[in-house]
Amino acid sequence: KQEVTQIPAALSVPEGENLVLNCSFTDSAIYNLQWFRQDPGKGLTSLLLIQSSQREQTSGRLNASLDKSSGRSTLYIAASQPGDSATYLCAVRPYSGAGSYQLTFGKGTKLSVIP
Amino acid sequence: DTGVSQDPRHKITKRGQNVTFRCDPISEHNRLYWYRQTLGQGPEFLTYFQNEAQLEKSRLLSDRFSAERPKGSFSTLEIQRTEQGDSAMYLCASSRWTGRTGELFFGEGSRLTVL
Repeated sequence: KQEVTQIPAALSVPEGENLVLNCSFTDSAIYNLQWFRQDPGKGLTSLLLIQSSQREQTSGRLNASLDKSSGRSTLYIAASQPGDSATYLCAVRPYSGAGSYQLTFGKGTKLSVIP
Repeated sequence: DTGVSQDPRHKITKRGQNVTFRCDPISEHNRLYWYRQTLGQGPEFLTYFQNEAQLEKSRLLSDRFSAERPKGSFSTLEIQRTEQGDSAMYLCASSRWTGRTGELFFGEGSRLTVL
């Protein structure tokens, strides 16, 4: 059974710092990995989708990398801003088999950017 | 706005009552998913539809839960005889399935509180 772990559970940084959020998964047979942002009491906003054949994806100040063989992904946020404060979730989709259309989520990392 | 729309945003009900949530996906998306999220946890898969066909259901979807997507557009999730353990955020997502890609886009969620 796929398990997704996100470390740390919470992170507090001063505004302007660069930071890295970590995501690890136990089964490397994934089709893709998706990073989401969730504001308190709200739904999920898709940030980046990395296919298993890709090593990284970039969008603005965000860069996500994927090392499928080691079961790891990182989300790099450059020049953090208070508006980046939210919970960041990663989710993986298995490559095949039963449940191959289900995403397995981590519990998220709660980020606070202090002005 | 052409995002995923969910209604109601918040529902408070007494134990034993029935509740129904509605989801309107992004118009050109043929896949629709329901997830459930409890406090401090990542979302967990409940079920998904391709067009009007319900193709997969999680073990989390007990007999008290039923989901429909009658015309392949909007979907409803009904919970009968609600229990306090049903209190959660119910998230709907949609995707456009092209081969095996398919980034998921989530709605704002419907929060259920069972008293």
